[in-house]
Amino acid sequence: AQSVTQLDSHVSVSEGTPVLLRCNYSSSYSPSLFWYVQHPNKGLQLLLKYTSAATLVKGINGFEAEFKKSETSFHLTKPSAHMSDAAEYFCVVSDHSTGFQKLVFGTGTRLLVSP
Amino acid sequence: DTGVSQDPRHKITKRGQNVTFRCDPISEHNRLYWYRQTLGQGPEFLTYFQNEAQLEKSRLLSDRFSAERPKGSFSTLEIQRTEQGDSAMYLCASSLVLQISQETQYFGPGTRLLVL
Repeated sequence: AQSVTQLDSHVSVSEGTPVLLRCNYSSSYSPSLFWYVQHPNKGLQLLLKYTSAATLVKGINGFEAEFKKSETSFHLTKPSAHMSDAAEYFCVVSDHSTGFQKLVFGTGTRLLVSP
Repeated sequence: DTGVSQDPRHKITKRGQNVTFRCDPISEHNRLYWYRQTLGQGPEFLTYFQNEAQLEKSRLLSDRFSAERPKGSFSTLEIQRTEQGDSAMYLCASSLVLQISQETQYFGPGTRLLVL
């Protein structure tokens, strides 16, 4: 079975400082990994995804994540936080052994950005 | 707007009542998914459709839940005899599967259900 662990339920940063949201995964197969963001009263938006190509994945809004198989990690980073980045972030794992893309979400990390 | 839409956005009902939610996927997307998200948790998979066929159901989907996707377009999720434990956000997502490893699910804004 696949699972993800988001190590921090809340992360607080100041505007302009780096962001690091941590995620570890468990998967019996070659996983696909995603980061989704959820703003209040809005749907989940895909930030980036890893599907066994380059291990450093660049996403939207300046976010990127690095797939490290040896550490089973897929941490999300951004060099400089913006106020608009404040939201809930979900690390997600999927495998296709089931024949479809069953997404398994972590419990989320709430990012707080202060001026 | 050509994204995934869901209706209603909010629903308040009394325990024991039936409710129905609707999801309109992105046009021509052949897969449609339903998820449930409770407070403080990530979404959990409920069921999915390939065109009009419902191919997988989670154990979370009790007998009181039923989903349909007639003609492979919009989908409905019905909950009969609602219970307070059904209170959650119900999310719909759609995708166009050309190559399974490249699939991307696009989510709607969700329907927030409160059962009193």
